[in-house]
Amino acid sequence: GAGVSQSPRYKVAKRGQDVALRCDPISGHVSLFWYQQALGQGPEFLTYFQNEAQLDKSGLPSDRFFAERPEGSVSTLKIQRTQQEDSAVYLCASSLGLSGGTEQYFGPGTRLTVT
Amino acid sequence: AQSVTQPDIHITVSEGASLELRCNYSYGATPYLFWYVQSPGQGLQLLLKYFSGDTLVQGIKGFEAEFKRSQSSFNLRKPSVHWSDAAEYFCAVGAMGSYKLIFGSGTRLLVRP
Repeated sequence: GAGVSQSPRYKVAKRGQDVALRCDPISGHVSLFWYQQALGQGPEFLTYFQNEAQLDKSGLPSDRFFAERPEGSVSTLKIQRTQQEDSAVYLCASSLGLSGGTEQYFGPGTRLTVT
Repeated sequence: AQSVTQPDIHITVSEGASLELRCNYSYGATPYLFWYVQSPGQGLQLLLKYFSGDTLVQGIKGFEAEFKRSQSSFNLRKPSVHWSDAAEYFCAVGAMGSYKLIFGSGTRLLVRP
């Protein structure tokens, strides 16, 4: 079956523009995660959904970041008024279960470059 | 607070040589520990995971890792490296009741022919 897919794979935005990044998780996966990976760093947690409920958004760096998963499947991460420090790879992951021990399956990421 | 340290930013080994990538974690309770591999332009792929039980865990692609509670370590090993193993490797920690993963900063593995 298909894995986690993300689109677009690459996005260049001018500072101040809004962007929307899409994640299609594995069908049937209850949990969905967004991570931010800066150059040369490991992924950092942004937010977590259980079905359509956003249970944790503690990692979102500012109120310019917004995520949604309205029907419990596809998710969108939106960044308003992009800044240069937003340049990073944004990874989406999904998992079948609810606990911390369940394997997370990662998508290829969206590389965002803010100029 | 949970944290993961991967002390080696880069490691270079010759093809066929053995490999050990270091990972140290900080966590109050028994953690869930993971190793992921990331090839250029690819997402992270799970190599292996430790939850409980046998402290030596086997993973895919011939990798294994050993959990040492006394040293707070979870080092990744492979007896004979192949050129296709060149990639970035991430150690991560999770916990029961917590869904998020905390990642280390990664170790880039280079393989000499």
